[in-house]
Amino acid sequence: GAVVSQHPSRVICKSGTSVKIECRSLDFQATTMFWYRQFPKQSLMLMATSNEGSKATYEQGVEKDKFLINHASLTLSTLTVTSAHPEDSSFYICSARDPRKGNSPLHFGNGTRLTVT
Amino acid sequence: DQQVKQNSPSLSVQEGRISILNCDYTNSMFDYFLWYKKYPAEGPTFLISISSIKDKNEDGRFTVFLNKSAKHLSLHIVPSQPGDSAVYFCAASGGKTSYDKVIFGPGTSLSVIP
Repeated sequence: GAVVSQHPSRVICKSGTSVKIECRSLDFQATTMFWYRQFPKQSLMLMATSNEGSKATYEQGVEKDKFLINHASLTLSTLTVTSAHPEDSSFYICSARDPRKGNSPLHFGNGTRLTVT
Repeated sequence: DQQVKQNSPSLSVQEGRISILNCDYTNSMFDYFLWYKKYPAEGPTFLISISSIKDKNEDGRFTVFLNKSAKHLSLHIVPSQPGDSAVYFCAASGGKTSYDKVIFGPGTSLSVIP
């Protein structure tokens, strides 16, 4: 079964509004979660690393003020796309590892399709 | 600079035959490699992994081969089934901590023809 849950699966918003995406680890505590973005027919690009209780680490070229990340608990990280524009339309996916299993693979949520009109 | 490369954007294979998906990497610090399968509008699903201390790992119909000297790995699926049709991502990470960043290749779209 799924170990990482992401919500919502699909959202349409108007340009200028903000959208929040939630990522939950279901049966383990994750001090670190990862947010990826996928453009059509392209690879998954790591946007940022979400750290519980501290600031997120953003990859080069990712605007931290545009993509706000909050990791307030050991099972929940949120990504807020602020003042969304059509170019922010994309597929956003979160992931996490189960720390109880050593070098275990990343488990991904089912992604959120964001469409900004 | 793309650290993980999958030079074949697509591959078509007849059902029952072997599918071979290739991946090359440039970063010699990578020591853990993974293959993920992805359907449209879904998150990637982990398939199989291999650490750099091995050159082969097998799990059912899936086998991953690693050639460190060539910085090359491949995923073999045999026999291929129509349900295997999906995009396959090669991924790599390096270092010793549990929270290494995982870098993905661009993906190969596999079509298994009945």
